[in-house]
Amino acid sequence: AQSVTQLGSHVSVSEGALVLLRCNYSSSVPPYLFWYVQYPNQGLQLLLKYTSAATLVKGINGFEAEFKKSETSFHLTKPSAHMSDAAEYFCAWTGSARQLTFGSGTQLTVLP
Amino acid sequence: GAGVSQSPRYKVTKRGQDVALRCDPISGHVSLYWYRQALGQGPEFLTYFNYEAQQDKSGLPNDRFSAERPEGSISTLTIQRTEQRDSAMYRCASSPTGGAHHNEQFFGPGTRLTVL
Repeated sequence: AQSVTQLGSHVSVSEGALVLLRCNYSSSVPPYLFWYVQYPNQGLQLLLKYTSAATLVKGINGFEAEFKKSETSFHLTKPSAHMSDAAEYFCAWTGSARQLTFGSGTQLTVLP
Repeated sequence: GAGVSQSPRYKVTKRGQDVALRCDPISGHVSLYWYRQALGQGPEFLTYFNYEAQQDKSGLPNDRFSAERPEGSISTLTIQRTEQRDSAMYRCASSPTGGAHHNEQFFGPGTRLTVL
């Protein structure tokens, strides 16, 4: 089955350090890929999306992701972590169907 | 403007009871989706609507689960004869159009269902 895989259920970084959250997809056709963030007691919020217009996608709050077809990856990065970035992050995929298929999520902790 | 709202935010029920979860999408949004999220997992698709028509219900786990959107706006997800394994966060999302696959889905805060 086509899916997305997030490597690392928990990631800890120091404030000011690089954030790297990994996502790999399995799809026989170019997918649409998304990163969502979930803060406690809130709904999921879209950070960014890849729709084949550009391989490097910039999102909100300083996050960006690069679509690499050769590696089937769509990793999320941010040059400098902020305490407010602590949240759960989900990579998601959609193909011919409308619904999103989510990865299992990565909990990001930012250490002072 | 107002986002997607869901009610109740928390629901505790006893095994065997029926529950109805409500979703009020962003005004004018064509598509409405229901997802279920178990603890420590990503949301899993249940069903979706374009306007009042249920387009895909392949994610509904069994016939105890049903959903409707009779007037193309508010939707209700009903679980009959609840079981403990139904305990989860139920999330609703809406999207402005039914056409493009990459349209953003706007999520509500979810309903936390606990079946005792």
